Amino acid sequence: GENVEQHPSTLSVQEGDSAVIKCTYSDSASNYFPWYKQELGKRPQLIIDIRSNVGEKKDQRIAVTLNKTAKHFSLHITETQPEDSAVYFCAVSSGYDYKLSFGAGTTVTVRA
Amino acid sequence: GAVVSQHPSRVICKSGTSVKIECRSLDFQATTMFWYRQFPKKSLMLMATSNEGSKATYEQGVEKDKFLINHASLTLSTLTVTSAHPEDSSFYICSARGVGFGETQYFGPGTRLLVL
Repeated sequence: GENVEQHPSTLSVQEGDSAVIKCTYSDSASNYFPWYKQELGKRPQLIIDIRSNVGEKKDQRIAVTLNKTAKHFSLHITETQPEDSAVYFCAVSSGYDYKLSFGAGTTVTVRA
Repeated sequence: GAVVSQHPSRVICKSGTSVKIECRSLDFQATTMFWYRQFPKKSLMLMATSNEGSKATYEQGVEKDKFLINHASLTLSTLTVTSAHPEDSSFYICSARGVGFGETQYFGPGTRLLVL
């Protein structure tokens, strides 16, 4: 499947600061890029997604940017809160079979 | 909307027995369901894709005779782990996408399987 690299693997930020997670992918045909948040022992929850015809999308404190030329996309969380602490996964799909290839995950810890 | 349930949430079984896990889409028709496996502190690994009324497509390295998948209706897919062994212990998660959802997948709450 698609090779998706995610960095960093862990991220610790002070409450109120911003957090940025970056993913790179290999298949230039990829056209769908969701981000999931997973708390310990829970299901992954879709927090934001972007399609290849859009460069940036924002939903309140969360934004995603996509650079198709460089084949990378990033998650930005502003004004972080303790409840943002979780594991975040990026994923990539080429669309035709709807399969998702996941990054390795980033454990985000927001320090109060 | 877009709620996916899984049953059971956790199961403990003896080595050599079979375990069935159900994945249901509660408020939409799931044309495609996916089964993932997740080890502790690891990412989600796609095991197979199932489309209603057709045979599942398994990812490379996943034994189809070991992990039987049935997608008999637009709201239900089942994963049966046959002759389970301790190395099959894991967190199994399903996801589903429906008509009009595009690529968006919604995940079930997962099933934690422990094989003794």
